[in-house]
Amino acid sequence: AQSVTQLDSQVPVFEEAPVELRCNYSSSVSVYLFWYVQYPNQGLQLLLKYLSGSTLVKGINGFEAEFNKSQTSFHLRKPSVHISDTAEYFCAVSSLNTGGFKTIFGAGTRLFVKA
Amino acid sequence: DTAVSQTPKYLVTQMGNDKSIKCEQNLGHDTMYWYKQDSKKFLKIMFSYNNKELIINETVPNRFSPKSPDKAHLNLHINSLELGDSAVYFCASSNREVDTIYFGEGSWLTVV
Repeated sequence: AQSVTQLDSQVPVFEEAPVELRCNYSSSVSVYLFWYVQYPNQGLQLLLKYLSGSTLVKGINGFEAEFNKSQTSFHLRKPSVHISDTAEYFCAVSSLNTGGFKTIFGAGTRLFVKA
Repeated sequence: DTAVSQTPKYLVTQMGNDKSIKCEQNLGHDTMYWYKQDSKKFLKIMFSYNNKELIINETVPNRFSPKSPDKAHLNLHINSLELGDSAVYFCASSNREVDTIYFGEGSWLTVV
């Protein structure tokens, strides 16, 4: 069975500081990894994804993430955050199960950017 | 144009009532989903359909019944609503089962 753990439920950070949101997963099969962002009162939207190829993936709004297979991690980073980055961030993992591919989401990390 | 649209956005209803949430996607996707997000933001899949066929049915009470009249629509009907059903319900779609999932804006259901 697969699982996703987002190690921090809340991350407060000052504007223009760097940030890392951590995500670890467990799965016995190959995985595909995603980060989604949810702004207040909205649905989720894709930030970036890793399906194959380069383990460093770049997404929208200056975010990037690195797939580390040995550490089963897919941490999200941004070198300098803005107030507008305040949102909930979800890591998600897709893998092939008996009933087909299934995507599960982590519990979310609330990024709060302070002025 | 909204890619995944769901209605209503807000719904307040009494315990025991029956309600439906409608969802439509104009992305031409084959796979559609219903997710439930609780007050702690935890997001859990409820159902997944591929070309109108049910492929994932998590341990959801059978008071919840999805219906897919065609691959662009996936509606959710809920019977005998309970207080614990209060949540945000998201409809979503994807082109394939492993690909970007596109979410609707959510339907805020409050059961009183």
